[in-house]
Amino acid sequence: AQSVTQPDIHITVSEGASLELRCNYSYGATPYLFWYVQSPGQGLQLLLKYFSGDTLVQGIKGFEAEFKRSQSSFNLRKPSVHWSDAAEYFCAGQPGGGAQKLVFGQGTRLTINP
Amino acid sequence: DTGVSQDPRHKITKRGQNVTFRCDPISEHNRLYWYRQTLGQGPEFLTYFQNEAQLEKSRLLSDRFSAERPKGSFSTLEIQRTEQGDSAMYLCASSPGPQGSSYEQYFGPGTRLTVT
Repeated sequence: AQSVTQPDIHITVSEGASLELRCNYSYGATPYLFWYVQSPGQGLQLLLKYFSGDTLVQGIKGFEAEFKRSQSSFNLRKPSVHWSDAAEYFCAGQPGGGAQKLVFGQGTRLTINP
Repeated sequence: DTGVSQDPRHKITKRGQNVTFRCDPISEHNRLYWYRQTLGQGPEFLTYFQNEAQLEKSRLLSDRFSAERPKGSFSTLEIQRTEQGDSAMYLCASSPGPQGSSYEQYFGPGTRLTVT
Protein backbone atom coordinates (compact mmCIF):
# COMPACT_ATOMS: atom_id res chain seq x y z
CA ALA A 1 0.00 0.00 0.00
CA GLN A 2 1.12 3.53 -0.70
CA SER A 3 2.31 5.24 2.45
CA VAL A 4 4.32 8.14 3.79
CA THR A 5 6.14 7.89 7.10
CA GLN A 6 7.53 10.64 9.28
CA PRO A 7 9.56 8.88 11.96
CA ASP A 8 9.83 11.85 14.31
CA ILE A 9 6.66 12.93 16.11
CA HIS A 10 8.28 15.90 17.84
CA ILE A 11 11.59 17.71 17.36
CA THR A 12 13.05 20.55 19.39
CA VAL A 13 15.86 22.73 18.08
CA SER A 14 17.41 25.99 19.22
CA GLU A 15 16.85 29.17 17.26
CA GLY A 16 19.61 29.56 14.69
CA ALA A 17 20.38 25.85 14.59
CA SER A 18 20.03 23.71 11.49
CA LEU A 19 17.00 21.49 10.94
CA GLU A 20 16.29 18.23 9.17
CA LEU A 21 12.87 16.58 9.19
CA ARG A 22 12.67 13.04 7.89
CA CYS A 23 10.19 11.59 5.42
CA ASN A 24 10.10 8.14 3.85
CA TYR A 25 7.70 6.94 1.20
CA SER A 26 6.49 3.61 -0.05
CA TYR A 27 5.24 3.70 -3.62
CA GLY A 28 5.66 1.39 -6.58
CA ALA A 29 7.06 4.16 -8.73
CA THR A 30 8.52 7.56 -7.91
CA PRO A 31 5.64 9.61 -6.56
CA TYR A 32 5.17 13.34 -6.56
CA LEU A 33 6.28 14.53 -3.11
CA PHE A 34 5.36 17.60 -1.09
CA TRP A 35 6.08 19.27 2.21
CA TYR A 36 3.37 21.34 3.90
CA VAL A 37 3.45 23.42 7.08
CA GLN A 38 0.50 23.95 9.41
CA SER A 39 0.36 26.56 12.14
CA PRO A 40 -2.04 25.97 15.06
CA GLY A 41 -5.67 26.07 13.98
CA GLN A 42 -4.75 26.82 10.38
CA GLY A 43 -4.85 25.07 7.04
CA LEU A 44 -1.80 23.75 5.24
CA GLN A 45 0.68 25.88 3.33
CA LEU A 46 2.79 24.32 0.60
CA LEU A 47 6.53 24.68 1.27
CA LEU A 48 7.92 22.82 -1.74
CA LYS A 49 7.31 20.02 -4.21
CA TYR A 50 9.22 17.41 -6.18
CA PHE A 51 7.94 16.06 -9.47
CA SER A 52 11.07 15.06 -11.38
CA GLY A 53 14.49 16.34 -12.41
CA ASP A 54 16.84 17.99 -9.97
CA THR A 55 16.69 16.05 -6.71
CA LEU A 56 17.37 19.12 -4.55
CA VAL A 57 14.37 21.40 -4.54
CA GLN A 58 14.08 24.85 -3.06
CA GLY A 59 10.97 26.12 -1.38
CA ILE A 60 9.60 29.11 0.44
CA LYS A 61 10.83 30.46 3.79
CA GLY A 62 14.38 29.19 3.19
CA PHE A 63 13.45 25.48 3.17
CA GLU A 64 14.87 22.88 0.84
CA ALA A 65 14.37 19.14 0.42
CA GLU A 66 16.37 16.38 -1.20
CA PHE A 67 14.85 13.41 -2.98
CA LYS A 68 16.88 10.21 -2.59
CA ARG A 69 15.47 7.33 -4.58
CA SER A 70 17.88 4.77 -3.08
CA GLN A 71 16.62 5.58 0.42
CA SER A 72 12.99 6.31 -0.52
CA SER A 73 13.39 9.57 1.35
CA PHE A 74 12.47 13.21 0.90
CA ASN A 75 13.92 15.02 3.91
CA LEU A 76 13.25 18.68 4.61
CA ARG A 77 16.11 20.95 5.68
CA LYS A 78 16.74 24.50 6.76
CA PRO A 79 20.20 25.83 7.62
CA SER A 80 19.07 28.19 10.39
CA VAL A 81 15.65 28.10 12.02
CA HIS A 82 13.69 31.09 13.29
CA TRP A 83 11.20 31.14 16.15
CA SER A 84 8.44 31.64 13.56
CA ASP A 85 9.21 28.19 12.09
CA ALA A 86 7.56 26.50 15.07
CA ALA A 87 4.65 24.57 13.56
CA GLU A 88 3.53 21.13 12.40
CA TYR A 89 5.18 19.83 9.23
CA PHE A 90 3.62 17.25 6.94
CA CYS A 91 5.18 15.24 4.15
CA ALA A 92 2.77 14.02 1.48
CA GLY A 93 2.94 11.79 -1.58
CA GLN A 94 0.85 11.45 -4.69
CA PRO A 95 1.09 8.86 -7.47
CA GLY A 96 2.65 10.20 -10.61
CA GLY A 97 0.15 11.97 -12.85
CA GLY A 98 -1.00 14.38 -10.22
CA ALA A 99 -4.67 13.61 -10.48
CA GLN A 100 -5.08 11.79 -7.25
CA LYS A 101 -5.32 12.18 -3.54
CA LEU A 102 -2.45 13.15 -1.31
CA VAL A 103 -1.31 10.60 1.25
CA PHE A 104 0.08 12.36 4.31
CA GLY A 105 2.52 11.32 6.96
CA GLN A 106 1.58 11.69 10.61
CA GLY A 107 3.40 14.99 10.90
CA THR A 108 6.35 16.30 12.89
CA ARG A 109 5.81 19.00 15.48
CA LEU A 110 8.69 21.46 15.57
CA THR A 111 9.44 23.41 18.74
CA ILE A 112 12.02 26.20 18.74
CA ASN A 113 13.99 27.00 21.89
CA PRO A 114 15.00 30.66 22.24
CA ASP B 1 -6.04 35.09 -6.41
CA THR B 2 -7.99 34.97 -3.16
CA GLY B 3 -7.14 31.43 -2.14
CA VAL B 4 -9.41 28.62 -1.01
CA SER B 5 -12.08 29.72 1.43
CA GLN B 6 -14.21 27.61 3.75
CA ASP B 7 -17.32 28.41 5.72
CA PRO B 8 -17.95 28.19 8.61
CA ARG B 9 -14.56 28.15 10.31
CA HIS B 10 -15.99 26.55 13.43
CA LYS B 11 -19.14 24.53 14.01
CA ILE B 12 -20.43 23.10 17.27
CA THR B 13 -23.37 20.75 16.98
CA LYS B 14 -25.20 18.20 19.04
CA ARG B 15 -25.03 14.52 18.26
CA GLY B 16 -27.66 13.53 15.74
CA GLN B 17 -27.87 16.91 14.01
CA ASN B 18 -27.00 17.50 10.36
CA VAL B 19 -24.24 19.92 9.33
CA THR B 20 -23.14 21.35 6.00
CA PHE B 21 -19.81 22.92 5.13
CA ARG B 22 -18.96 25.01 2.09
CA CYS B 23 -15.73 25.30 0.15
CA ASP B 24 -14.91 27.89 -2.51
CA PRO B 25 -11.82 26.87 -4.51
CA ILE B 26 -9.36 29.13 -6.25
CA SER B 27 -11.10 30.39 -9.35
CA GLU B 28 -10.51 28.29 -12.47
CA HIS B 29 -9.19 25.35 -10.45
CA ASN B 30 -11.18 22.43 -11.78
CA ARG B 31 -10.13 19.90 -9.12
CA LEU B 32 -11.47 20.07 -5.58
CA TYR B 33 -10.60 17.77 -2.69
CA TRP B 34 -11.98 17.16 0.81
CA TYR B 35 -9.83 15.83 3.65
CA ARG B 36 -10.44 15.16 7.33
CA GLN B 37 -7.84 15.75 10.01
CA THR B 38 -8.13 14.53 13.59
CA LEU B 39 -5.97 15.75 16.44
CA GLY B 40 -2.34 14.71 16.11
CA GLN B 41 -2.79 13.11 12.70
CA GLY B 42 -2.14 14.04 9.11
CA PRO B 43 -5.08 14.82 6.84
CA GLU B 44 -6.93 11.84 5.36
CA PHE B 45 -8.53 11.93 1.94
CA LEU B 46 -12.33 11.86 1.75
CA THR B 47 -13.32 12.63 -1.82
CA TYR B 48 -12.43 14.60 -4.92
CA PHE B 49 -14.16 16.30 -7.85
CA GLN B 50 -13.06 17.18 -11.31
CA ASN B 51 -15.42 19.93 -12.35
CA GLU B 52 -18.83 18.68 -11.18
CA ALA B 53 -17.98 14.98 -11.35
CA GLN B 54 -17.15 13.17 -8.11
CA LEU B 55 -14.38 10.84 -9.23
CA GLU B 56 -13.21 9.15 -6.06
CA LYS B 57 -14.56 8.52 -2.58
CA SER B 58 -12.69 7.10 0.39
CA ARG B 59 -14.01 4.28 2.52
CA LEU B 60 -13.97 6.89 5.30
CA LEU B 61 -16.92 8.54 3.59
CA SER B 62 -19.78 6.61 5.15
CA ASP B 63 -23.39 6.78 4.00
CA ARG B 64 -23.93 9.69 6.38
CA PHE B 65 -21.53 11.84 4.35
CA SER B 66 -22.37 13.40 1.01
CA ALA B 67 -20.48 15.91 -1.10
CA GLU B 68 -21.58 17.91 -4.10
CA ARG B 69 -20.11 20.35 -6.56
CA PRO B 70 -23.16 21.22 -8.61
CA LYS B 71 -21.75 23.75 -11.07
CA GLY B 72 -18.12 22.83 -10.91
CA SER B 73 -17.34 25.80 -8.69
CA PHE B 74 -18.02 25.68 -4.94
CA SER B 75 -18.58 22.42 -3.09
CA THR B 76 -20.57 21.38 -0.06
CA LEU B 77 -19.94 18.54 2.38
CA GLU B 78 -22.91 17.39 4.43
CA ILE B 79 -22.80 15.10 7.44
CA GLN B 80 -26.12 13.64 8.54
CA ARG B 81 -26.87 12.36 12.04
CA THR B 82 -23.51 13.52 13.38
CA GLU B 83 -21.60 11.35 15.85
CA GLN B 84 -18.91 12.32 18.32
CA GLY B 85 -16.37 10.52 16.14
CA ASP B 86 -17.06 13.05 13.39
CA SER B 87 -15.34 15.76 15.45
CA ALA B 88 -12.38 16.83 13.33
CA MET B 89 -10.99 19.54 11.08
CA TYR B 90 -12.45 19.30 7.57
CA LEU B 91 -10.06 20.66 4.97
CA CYS B 92 -10.76 21.58 1.38
CA ALA B 93 -8.12 21.91 -1.32
CA SER B 94 -8.09 22.77 -4.99
CA SER B 95 -5.66 22.27 -7.84
CA PRO B 96 -5.48 23.53 -11.42
CA GLY B 97 -5.91 20.15 -13.06
CA PRO B 98 -4.27 18.83 -16.20
CA GLN B 99 -4.29 22.08 -18.12
CA GLY B 100 -2.28 23.74 -15.41
CA SER B 101 1.46 23.40 -15.25
CA SER B 102 1.46 21.92 -11.77
CA TYR B 103 -0.52 19.52 -9.67
CA GLU B 104 -0.02 20.82 -6.17
CA GLN B 105 -3.06 21.25 -3.99
CA TYR B 106 -3.81 24.51 -2.22
CA PHE B 107 -5.63 24.21 1.08
CA GLY B 108 -8.23 26.34 2.75
CA PRO B 109 -8.20 27.22 6.47
CA GLY B 110 -10.51 24.34 7.36
CA THR B 111 -13.78 23.95 9.26
CA ARG B 112 -13.40 22.65 12.79
CA LEU B 113 -16.39 20.51 13.78
CA THR B 114 -17.13 19.69 17.40
CA VAL B 115 -19.94 17.23 18.10
CA THR B 116 -21.20 17.30 21.68
